[in-house]
Amino acid sequence: DAKTTQPTSMDCAEGRAANLPCNHSTISGNEYVYWYRQIHSQGPQYIIHGLKNNETNEMASLIITEDRKSSTLILPHATLRDTAVYYCIVRGYTGTASKLTFGTGTRLQVTL
Amino acid sequence: EAGVVQSPRYKIIEKKQPVAFWCNPISGHNTLYWYRQNLGQGPELLIRYENEEAVDDSQLPKDRFSAERLKGVDSTLKIQPAELGDSAVYLCASSLGAGGYNEQFFGPGTRLTVL
Repeated sequence: DAKTTQPTSMDCAEGRAANLPCNHSTISGNEYVYWYRQIHSQGPQYIIHGLKNNETNEMASLIITEDRKSSTLILPHATLRDTAVYYCIVRGYTGTASKLTFGTGTRLQVTL
Repeated sequence: EAGVVQSPRYKIIEKKQPVAFWCNPISGHNTLYWYRQNLGQGPELLIRYENEEAVDDSQLPKDRFSAERLKGVDSTLKIQPAELGDSAVYLCASSLGAGGYNEQFFGPGTRLTVL
């Protein structure tokens, strides 16, 4: 699995957009970028995933650079409930490549 | 629809004692996973089941850890005997299938403290 690099922690004011970066310079052509988050004392929760096009759902937007070496997860209007650890994961679709390999993630603190 | 259910939520034991964790996956999910999460780290996969078959247990410490999923639904993870280093959160997850297009749903985890 390709490794990802994320900042250890970030702060965001409530109501503002939270932009969480992720570097995955060794990603291969058939690997996807996944984002999960883990709120304190809960299990991880799927947010979004993408291959090369930008993706948006009810939770967030995912922007992947054209060369696919980095991506940004955007929470458009962060709330206190978005305080969590966010994991960027590169993952294939089949076999052992489809395993979720978590790093240490980015701890996002949303403040008033 | 109920999510992944795990019990107990918390367990405190002394070293060398046995301990077991139980998981009930989302109904209809054929694939079940057990992860271990150490403090400050992301979850690490211990074992993956496809129905009742363990298809990836390469990260399971087999000298003291065992798991079963007898009827392809509920699963139990056991540690015997527990060591101090086993203190962690043990997470269960399930998905419709194992392929990467299948979202994994996680339970709340069992926090194990070994004294």
